[in-house]
Amino acid sequence: DQQVKQNSPSLSVQEGRISILNCDYTNSMFDYFLWYKKYPAEGPTFLISISSIKDKNEDGRFTVFLNKSAKHLSLHIVPSQPGDSAVYFCAADFQGAQKLVFGQGTRLTINP
Amino acid sequence: NAGVMQNPRHLVRRRGQEARLRCSPMKGHSHVYWYRQLPEEGLKFMVYLQKENIIDESGMPKERFSAEFPKEGPSILRIQQVVRGDSAAYFCASSPLISGKETQYFGPGTRLLVL
Repeated sequence: DQQVKQNSPSLSVQEGRISILNCDYTNSMFDYFLWYKKYPAEGPTFLISISSIKDKNEDGRFTVFLNKSAKHLSLHIVPSQPGDSAVYFCAADFQGAQKLVFGQGTRLTINP
Repeated sequence: NAGVMQNPRHLVRRRGQEARLRCSPMKGHSHVYWYRQLPEEGLKFMVYLQKENIIDESGMPKERFSAEFPKEGPSILRIQQVVRGDSAAYFCASSPLISGKETQYFGPGTRLLVL
C-alpha cells in the first residue's frame, strides 16, 4: 500500500532550466509534507516543507506547491544547477505523528 | 553545531550474528527516529523514541529488532540473529521538542551487509 508515490523514477533537465518533481498521495489525513534531497552514500537533507493550510511555500530556488483536491504536490527548482543532481524524496506526515511516509524517490540529473 | 551522527557507517555481519547501530541526535534534539531503506526504495519508518521512552514502534518487525534511547548516550537499534533480508541502509533522524510540525534531520546512515 504505497500512500506516497513518485511516479517518475528519473528526470533529466538542462542546467538553468526549471526542474519539476511530482508527488501524489492517497491518504487525505496527511497534513504536512516535506521534500528531501539525497546524494549517494549520504543521509537525506531537508529542503523545504509545506503545511496543508497552505498551497505554496518558497525558499530561494525551491518552491513547493500543494494541490489538496488532487492530492498532489510538486517541487520546482529554478534555475537548476549541476549540484542539484541527486535523488529527491517527498514525504508526508499527519497530525504530528512524526512517522514520515516516503515516496520511492526521483533521480534528478542536471545536464550542462 | 554537529549534525546527527551515526556509527558505524558500514557494518558487515554473518547470518545469525547481532548488529548494533548507534545514533547521536543533533544538540538540543530530544526525539529520535529510525528508518530503513532497501535498495531502490524509499525510506520506511521503523520506530520513534524519546529519552527512555518508545513512542511509536509500529514500523519495527516484531521479532529480532529492538531500539532504545537511554537517558545518557546514543540511541541504539539492535538486530539479533541477522538474516540476509536485513541488509539495508538504516537512517536515524532527530528533531527538537514536538510542537506539531517538526522537521526531522537525518544522519548519514549505517549500511548493513549480511553475508
